[in-house]
Amino acid sequence: RKEVEQDPGPFNVPEGATVAFNCTYSNSASQSFFWYRQDCRKEPKLLMSVYSSGNEDGRFTAQLNRASQYISLLIRDSKLSDSATYLCVVGLYSGAGSYQLTFGKGTKLSVIP
Amino acid sequence: DTAVSQTPKYLVTQMGNDKSIKCEQNLGHDTMYWYKQDSKKFLKIMFSYNNKELIINETVPNRFSPKSPDKAHLNLHINSLELGDSAVYFCASSQPSRSSSYNSPLHFGNGTRLTVT
Repeated sequence: RKEVEQDPGPFNVPEGATVAFNCTYSNSASQSFFWYRQDCRKEPKLLMSVYSSGNEDGRFTAQLNRASQYISLLIRDSKLSDSATYLCVVGLYSGAGSYQLTFGKGTKLSVIP
Repeated sequence: DTAVSQTPKYLVTQMGNDKSIKCEQNLGHDTMYWYKQDSKKFLKIMFSYNNKELIINETVPNRFSPKSPDKAHLNLHINSLELGDSAVYFCASSQPSRSSSYNSPLHFGNGTRLTVT
């Protein structure tokens, strides 16, 4: 089982649509969870952290289910500018300054006019 | 006031050459990383340094040698470059914490696109 697994995509959705991305992780000791966004030929940028109780940032809602080792991202009212690759990221602090973040392969989203 | 900066942005070189990529962060973070993103867009960690000390060293050919002169800098030197080394290399930094309730995200540099011909 891959460490961080995401929907393969690509997702092609019309403007205004709601789209959901799923992610599962294999290490139950994982402590930190994030969604990153990566535009073509750019560096990944933090979209939002994911907290146990779930959290929302404008049109974006992230949820975490530790029991199922599952993370989700919901985007409402999709905009053309949301077109990007969305990366699920899982972090583990294992002591002595060792903090490793593992990336999923990403899901590509294209929002179509 | 760039947080994580790496140079050069583009690097085109021939097989067998030796090259270096430099990275600096002004965020005061203790931990720095090198990630490689290959043609399939998969981001994979190569190295992690905490306060100049090597912490994570994934399965990377020993032609790749990171050097951290201080906690704000982490450079990557590559010897005897091969075609398969062509990729985008990202430097990043974070401030990890023993507290599991603290989320410490990564801050990335804008990448170095290495092309080996």
